[in-house]
Amino acid sequence: AQKITQTQPGMFVQEKEAVTLDCTYDTSDQSYGLFWYKQPSSGEMIFLIYQGSYDEQNATEGRYSLNFQKARKSANLVISASQLGDSAMYFCAMREGGRGGADGLTFGKGTHLIIQP
Amino acid sequence: EPEVTQTPSHQVTQMGQEVILRCVPISNHLYFYWYRQILGQKVEFLVSFYNNEISEKSEIFDDQFSVERPDGSNFTLKIRSTKLEDSAMYFCASSDVRQAGANVLTFGAGSRLTVL
Repeated sequence: AQKITQTQPGMFVQEKEAVTLDCTYDTSDQSYGLFWYKQPSSGEMIFLIYQGSYDEQNATEGRYSLNFQKARKSANLVISASQLGDSAMYFCAMREGGRGGADGLTFGKGTHLIIQP
Repeated sequence: EPEVTQTPSHQVTQMGQEVILRCVPISNHLYFYWYRQILGQKVEFLVSFYNNEISEKSEIFDDQFSVERPDGSNFTLKIRSTKLEDSAMYFCASSDVRQAGANVLTFGAGSRLTVL
């Protein structure tokens, strides 16, 4: 089974609209972390937002928020007021277990977001 | 803002040749990682490194791969005898485990390896 599932291979959105990128995860661990990274066409991986499994509130970072629904094992990324510069690949990722930095991140296949003017 | 730097940005090599990819992690970070991304595919974990030894490695990280921290600043990935399927973007990352909560990885810009 896939650890991280991103069901939207591509999305087209009008500038200034809000966008929701889906992510569901699969783990039996109680302690885990969920991450979203942005990869523009230049190729670098840019950290956007993090949600810990024990965090009671949804994470927010500027225009980014994470809609964390633990019972449904979903961690959707919401981008408010999208901008042309938001066009990129977006990857959801998870770290399982409680060993801190030792555990590698498992990435989803990504969603290619294109913002249209 | 501190960043992870990687060299070279692009390397072309012949099959069977050895390749060394170099990374300079953020100076006060304690964990170091290598990931790879085959063109058009997802990012895959290779190895994590802490306290001068490998902490965890994936099944991709076989005997052809090795990592080293030869001095206080560099972190290298060596592929002993490259294969065509090693062609990918290789990302170095580092993190500060002392950060509360997230232990966020900061990635470098990547090294694109092309094996001919």
